[in-house]
Amino acid sequence: DTAVSQTPKYLVTQMGNDKSIKCEQNLGHDTMYWYKQDSKKFLKIMFSYNNKELIINETVPNRFSPKSPDKAHLNLHINSLELGDSAVYFCASSQGPTGFDEQYFGPGTRLTVT
Amino acid sequence: SQQGEEDPQALSIQEGENATMNCSYKTSINNLQWYRQNSGRGLVHLILIRSNEREKHSGRLRVTLDTSKKSSSLLITASRAADTASYFCATDDWEEGSNYKLTFGKGTLLTVNP
Repeated sequence: DTAVSQTPKYLVTQMGNDKSIKCEQNLGHDTMYWYKQDSKKFLKIMFSYNNKELIINETVPNRFSPKSPDKAHLNLHINSLELGDSAVYFCASSQGPTGFDEQYFGPGTRLTVT
Repeated sequence: SQQGEEDPQALSIQEGENATMNCSYKTSINNLQWYRQNSGRGLVHLILIRSNEREKHSGRLRVTLDTSKKSSSLLITASRAADTASYFCATDDWEEGSNYKLTFGKGTLLTVNP
């Protein structure tokens, strides 16, 4: 009965490969997010979807492509992986897209690009 | 966009002592949230304080907000070893024509020694 789940938890891959991370929430929330946390623990938003519609798209290389097949799922596909993509990626969800909504985070996916 | 800055970056105390962490931000906010992140885990929401509130309590947590100084503090009383974690403040960041997003600070690493 995990609220926000992500798979895989760890991902080790070589430069140039393509990989995907999946996220699911069972909270009935309308809004989902992808965050990137670097080695210094700085957490930065990448994308946000509200009711399957993309509403936030920060300055992220277009090698990153999110997809939301339904409100409960938000996946992240990364093409042509680079060393700098190594980080922990967190999925999160909230009731709505406003700043008054607390966010629920998944356990993270540690991506290591070699 | 604005960003919360936590201070100190790291704090080490003994069990039973109180821990105080501070957060400063740059522009006006509607609310400020505090999150905790245990090592290797996702962030967990602790408390939200609105811009018209000055103080809020939740169990052993006390949050204050001073909008004139653009700062907030998180006090954890009677700390326990299980409180060892990184603590982040997050401010709602909104620009006209855009959508709300949370902007996180770099966090304070709290270590509570038994």
